[in-house]
Amino acid sequence: AQKVTQAQTEISVVEKEDVTLDCVYETRDTTYYLFWYKQPPSGELVFLIRRNSFDEQNEISGRYSWNFQKSTSSFNFTITASQVVDSAVYFCALSEAITGGGNKLTFGTGTQLKVEL
Amino acid sequence: ETGVTQTPRHLVMGMTNKKSLKCEQHLGHNAMYWYKQSAKKPLELMFVYNFKEQTENNSVPSRFSPECPNSSHLFLHLHTLQPEDSALYLCASSEGTDYEQYFGPGTRLTVT
Repeated sequence: AQKVTQAQTEISVVEKEDVTLDCVYETRDTTYYLFWYKQPPSGELVFLIRRNSFDEQNEISGRYSWNFQKSTSSFNFTITASQVVDSAVYFCALSEAITGGGNKLTFGTGTQLKVEL
Repeated sequence: ETGVTQTPRHLVMGMTNKKSLKCEQHLGHNAMYWYKQSAKKPLELMFVYNFKEQTENNSVPSRFSPECPNSSHLFLHLHTLQPEDSALYLCASSEGTDYEQYFGPGTRLTVT
């Protein structure tokens, strides 16, 4: 069975600090996809990134960066120079293809990030 | 409208009521999903449809009945719910297998 662990339940930082959200996963599949989503207080999950298991290059998008390390089954997310608008719950997820179509996402329990002035 | 929309946004119902949640996606996707998000629990996948055909039922109680008339619309029919069914119900869609899912704003359901 697939599993995603986000050990950090809640993180509080002061604006402009860098913060890293950890994600560790378990799967027996050789090909898989990993995702990060943001859930602000409004409730809607916002897609941030998708990463293929064969692509271990780190990715940077503005203040966001992701570090995928297959050897340690980790897919960590760093926010540089955090802002108050980054306050949200962040979810890491692992994808499993469904016979017949579609994919099943296994989510971690999420990390609540609070950025204060 | 763009993206994934859900109605109603909030719903309060008694245990003997029958209600339906509606989801519509404007992204041209083939797959649609229902998730349940309860307090302090991971998001739980409930149902998956691909090209209108159900491909996954994650052991959901029969008091939840999904319907997918076409690739753009997804319904969740509710009847004789229990208080523990109170949660945020999220709909999502994706282009297909292995692609990211795009979520709607959710319906906050309270069962009294």
